[in-house]
Order: sequence, then structure tokens, then C-alpha cells
Amino acid sequence: QVQLVQSGAEVKKPGASVKVSCKASGYTFTNFYLHWVRQAPGQGLEWMGIFNPSVGSAVLAQKFQGRVTMTSDTSTSTVYMELNSLRSEDTAVYYCARALPAYISAFYYWGQGTLVTVSS
Amino acid sequence: DIQMTQSPSSLSASVGDRVTITCRASQGIGNYLAWYQQKPGKVPKLLIDAASTLQSGVPSRFSGSGSGTDFTLTISSLQPEDVAIYYCQKYNSAPWTFGQGTKVEIK
Repeated sequence: QVQLVQSGAEVKKPGASVKVSCKASGYTFTNFYLHWVRQAPGQGLEWMGIFNPSVGSAVLAQKFQGRVTMTSDTSTSTVYMELNSLRSEDTAVYYCARALPAYISAFYYWGQGTLVTVSS
Repeated sequence: DIQMTQSPSSLSASVGDRVTITCRASQGIGNYLAWYQQKPGKVPKLLIDAASTLQSGVPSRFSGSGSGTDFTLTISSLQPEDVAIYYCQKYNSAPWTFGQGTKVEIK
């Protein structure tokens, strides 16, 4: 069965970076796009970007361009999302989510979420 | 970018009531519209894609309709386990924007 298992909670200081991982299993890793979505405490869902594991490329929401990097390790079927220059408003739960093997797709499977807390 | 606007932001209804949530896109998106349910403290779950296709295992009391700019999620008979926040999402192109959410509670 499809599983997306994310790394554990992080506490970071303002200005630091955080790298969240999402390990996929139960399907052919390179065949499916992966998205990153975040949710600040008590707030709604915010799309961050889409990653294509077959070519290692990403399309980012304008808000995150220049501050987010998405990469992968195909040997471990893991996607990484790194967010730089952290500020308090980046405190949120970060989710990875898998689409269909198509660019135009909803999100069918979700990771369990990773809480990132930014605090001095 | 296309904006997604849900209404109402919250609602309270009795068990057995028919509940309707609307989602409006600022430009036409065809039927590339998904609905998600997020229960308190849980991960979002896909309920409906392609505006009206119910996902496997989702109770038949949920239904979706619409195309273009106006969409609806209907719960035909509200149950206690339906307490959640519901989000619509466009997925016809980047960015994959979500609506702001509708909180559904039991009266």
C-alpha cells in the first residue's frame, strides 16, 4: 500500500534552515509527482510546490521561490523540502502529498505531517 | 493566479440535516476541482475529485457538483463523524490553490 512517512518535528531559530523528508513506499517512486503543503496553526492549507522525482525538478509557489529547495534521493525513494531563512510565520505542519502520474491531479495520499516550530 | 473562495466559513447543523458548501473560482477551471475533509488533528483526506467523483470508501451521503467557476459539496444527511473542516482545491494548473475552508459542526 502507498505510504508517505515524514521526518520528525523540528524546532529552529529564526534565520535558520529546516529540511523535511518524505519517504515513499508501495509504488514506483519516479512515476508520481509529489507536492508539499503547509498548514499554520489554526489556519488553512497552503500549497508550496510540486516535485517531479523522475527528473528532479520542482515548480514552486511564487511566495516560496528563492527560499525553498526540493530534492530527492531515488535510491531511498525520499523527497526533501528545505526551507531557508526561517521566520516565526513559517511555524506550521508541513505535509507531502502524492498525486497521480499526471501533472494535473488532486492529492490522493498524504504524509503524516511534520511540525516545524520557529522560535527564538 | 486563480482564487478559490468558499462559503460559508463555518456552519452548524443538526444530525440528519442536508448541508451545502460552495466554492467559487475567480476564473473557469473546468471540472478540475477536489474536495478534502480534515478532521481535528488529522491529515486531510481526499473526498471528491473531478468535481463529482467520489473516492473509494467515502460515504454516499457526500456528493459534489459544478463546473467552470461554481462548485458545491453536499452532505445529504449530516452525521456526527462529519465534523471537520472541508477544503476545495483547484488543480488545473499551478498553483494548486485551496479555498480557505469551511468548518462544519453539529448543533
